[in-house]
Parts: sequence; structure tokens; C-alpha cells
Amino acid sequence: DVKVTQSSRYLVKRTGEKVFLECVQDMDHENMFWYRQDPGLGLRLIYFSYDVKMKEKGDIPEGYSVSREKKERFSLILESASTNQTSMYLCASSSPPSLADTQYFGPGTRLTVL
Amino acid sequence: SQKIEQNSEALNIQEGKTATLTCNYTNYSPAYLQWYRQDPGRGPVFLLLIRENEKEKRKERLKVTFDTTLKQSLFHITASQPADSATYLCALATGGGNKLTFGTGTQLKVEL
Repeated sequence: DVKVTQSSRYLVKRTGEKVFLECVQDMDHENMFWYRQDPGLGLRLIYFSYDVKMKEKGDIPEGYSVSREKKERFSLILESASTNQTSMYLCASSSPPSLADTQYFGPGTRLTVL
Repeated sequence: SQKIEQNSEALNIQEGKTATLTCNYTNYSPAYLQWYRQDPGRGPVFLLLIRENEKEKRKERLKVTFDTTLKQSLFHITASQPADSATYLCALATGGGNKLTFGTGTQLKVEL
């Protein structure tokens, strides 16, 4: 079974803090994704990566950055957390050729920024 | 503008009945479409994928149809059970197949 794990299920941070969300997958997938999910807005793509050290902006990259130093690990960084970044963050992975192929999701991190 | 629409109102049905969920889209031409299940506080789980040249796909009690003329996919669960209660998301392969775009999901509640 594909397993995607995320470093925390729940996280509470203060405005202005730097926040790291980590995601690890064990299926040797090239593609990895970060989404946020908000009521009424669905899943929105923040960033994705199709290879080590490669990253591409998704639909809502502002206020976020990512890092992919190893194939199995994809980190989402909030440089200076703000209250409007309170959300459920979901990591996913998939294998090529298409970035739109079946994605395997982690359990999510519910981040609250106070 | 591009839209993916799923009924935002919860669908309540009785155990044993067939649940039918709808996914409509505008201004997309997806090569394929996927359905995912999401339980509260969890990540989505892949259920089925249907390609544009396929009219129907089945997996156990699940059936998906894909009408590219109507720009609609229907997701059916036959003989529904309370364990089927969850939110169901449709997702389209967009951007020339380089992106998966999700609908907002429909919550299904199966009652005894």
C-alpha cells in the first residue's frame, strides 16, 4: 500500500512564526503536491514537484515556499504565518507520466494560526 | 470561467438504496476524471478513474459514467450502507493533463 505521512495532525502557531510542514511518501513517486482545503473552496493546489529539487507554483503559492531535497520528502514552508493560512493542509504523491494521474494523499495537517 | 460543480447540499438516503452524485463542469475538456472519497479529518482516497473514451466504469458497488457532451459525470453507489457515509470529490485532469482540479465535494449520509 502507498503510504503518505505528514509530520503533524494538528498544529497551532502564532502570527509571524515560520512553520514547516513535512510530508514523506514510501512509494518512490516522482510527483508530490501540497494542497490546502477550506470549506466551500475545495482543494487548492499550492505547489508541486515532479523531481528532486524541482518545484512549480500551483494556483495559490503566495505566502508559501517548498523544498524537495530528497525524492521521498516534500516540505511546505510558511515563512511568516498569518491567520488566513489557518486551514487543512494535504500532501499527495503520484507517479508519472501525468501530474494528473491518481494521487495518494496523506492524513492532513490541521493548522491553526492565532 | 472554468467551473467544477458538485451539489453542496448533503445527500441523505436510506440504507440499501442507490446513491447518485453528480459532477458537472464547464470550460474544461478533461482527458479523464476521477472520484475520491474523503472521511472527516482525513485525506481523500482514490476510488475510480474514467477516461473520455469510456462511457462507464464499475468497481464492486460503485459505478461511474462520463458524458463529455453533457460535461457531466455521475457516481453511483448501489446497495448503500452507513459505512458509505463520507464526502465524495470529483477531480478532472486539466491543463493538458498536467493538473488535477477538484470539485468541492458532496457529503453523502446513509441512514439505517
